[in-house]
Amino acid sequence: GAVVSQHPSWVICKSGTSVKIECRSLDFQATTMFWYRQFPKQSLMLMATSNEGSKATYEQGVEKDKFLINHASLTLSTLTVTSAHPEDSSFYICSAVQGGEQFFGPGTRLTVL
Amino acid sequence: TQLLEQSPQFLSIQEGENLTVYCNSSSVFSSLQWYRQEPGEGPVLLVTVVTGGEVKKLKRLTFQFGDARKDSSLHITAAQPGDTGLYLCARSSNYKLTFGKGTLLTVNP
Repeated sequence: GAVVSQHPSWVICKSGTSVKIECRSLDFQATTMFWYRQFPKQSLMLMATSNEGSKATYEQGVEKDKFLINHASLTLSTLTVTSAHPEDSSFYICSAVQGGEQFFGPGTRLTVL
Repeated sequence: TQLLEQSPQFLSIQEGENLTVYCNSSSVFSSLQWYRQEPGEGPVLLVTVVTGGEVKKLKRLTFQFGDARKDSSLHITAAQPGDTGLYLCARSSNYKLTFGKGTLLTVNP
C-alpha cells in the first residue's frame, strides 16, 4: 500500500510557541490530505482538509488561525499549531487518498508544557 | 450528525477466545469501513463493506454489514495477542472520515 510519513513523531514545546508538523506522501501524489486529532482514549476527529494549491477547509469548531495548514506541493502538507497551549496536547494524524483508499501517517504526539 | 456507536468500549480476553464488536447507527450508510489502530500509530484499513447483508472474511476476522446498512459487526476467531488494538468503524463522505469511538481490545497471552 501507499506510504504516508509524518515528522516529527513526537514533540514537546513550551506554552505559547508554535509547532510545525509535516505530512508527506512518499510514493504517490496527493492533491488532498486530511488532518485528524486524537485525544487520549478517544477516537480520531477530522480537523481539516488540506488542498494542494488552495486554502484548507476546516471542520466546525476548528480555529483556522490557530491551526495553519499549507499544502504547497503534491507530496507535502504541513500543520502549524500556533501559540500552543496545554489543551492542544494531542496525537495529530494525517492521511492521504490513493487508489480510492485512505492511508494514514504514523502520527505526531504533541505535548505542550 | 450521523453518529457511530461502538460497543463494547473495552474488551479484555484471553488468547484463543472468540469475540464480536459492534458498530451501530440510526442512519443508513452507503458503505462502512473498519480500521485497526495500534498504540502510537495511525489507523490501518481492514475492510470496506458496501452491500447490505455483506459478509467479508480476512483470515480470522469476519465482517458483516447489516441488511439495512445501519450496523456492522466484526468477529474475531481464536484471538491472538497480536490482535490487540483499537478497532474503529468509520463512514466516509468524499473521503472525509467520521469515526466511532472505537473498541479497545486487549488479548492476554
